[in-house]
Amino acid sequence: DADVTQTPRNRITKTGKRIMLECSQTKGHDRMYWYRQDPGLGLQLIYYSFDVKDINKGEISDGYSVSRQAQAKFSLSLESAIPNQTALYFCATSPPGGSYQPQHFGDGTRLSIL
Amino acid sequence: KNEVEQSPQNLTAQEGEFITINCSYSVGISALHWLQQHPGGGIVSLFMLSSGKKKHGRLIATINIQEKHSSLHITASHPRDSAVYICAVNSGAGSYQLTFGKGTKLSVIP
Repeated sequence: DADVTQTPRNRITKTGKRIMLECSQTKGHDRMYWYRQDPGLGLQLIYYSFDVKDINKGEISDGYSVSRQAQAKFSLSLESAIPNQTALYFCATSPPGGSYQPQHFGDGTRLSIL
Repeated sequence: KNEVEQSPQNLTAQEGEFITINCSYSVGISALHWLQQHPGGGIVSLFMLSSGKKKHGRLIATINIQEKHSSLHITASHPRDSAVYICAVNSGAGSYQLTFGKGTKLSVIP
């Protein structure tokens, strides 16, 4: 089983719909992240969380919200989806230790908004 | 914000060739990461380094802090090495946020 699991893997939906992407991990890491990847661009940080009570905005948080339901679960929501949110979304985790810890990524969710 | 530039953007090689992918960044960092993104989309961390050189199998990563430059080398390349290779940096001591390059798409032809 994957250490970082994202569901769904693929989703096609319509403009204006509310969408939730889920991430769960079995690595026991405190830190969790949501990124989006657009063709030709580097990954961009949407939100990150250091524990259940600590949630922070990343560089492109507008139009998104998150929920850290438990140490192992971190969900990303699009309240009212728009076509330019079509992208590949990744969840990642890392243990404490600042910059000297690698991040562990899920397999991604490919989201298309029509 | 740190700027991360990778070159080349695309690279095609014959099986067995020695491959080099370059990464440069604009401001001081605490760590640099090399990641591999498979054709199916999944991302795997290959290396994390803050100085010197690391080796794992046929992969070698080097970093020159003074020149703000890192290279990823693949020896005896194989078609299974075909992937997108991504450089990312942590800026500043204790910084957990990564700034990513746009990636280098490598295709190794049999």
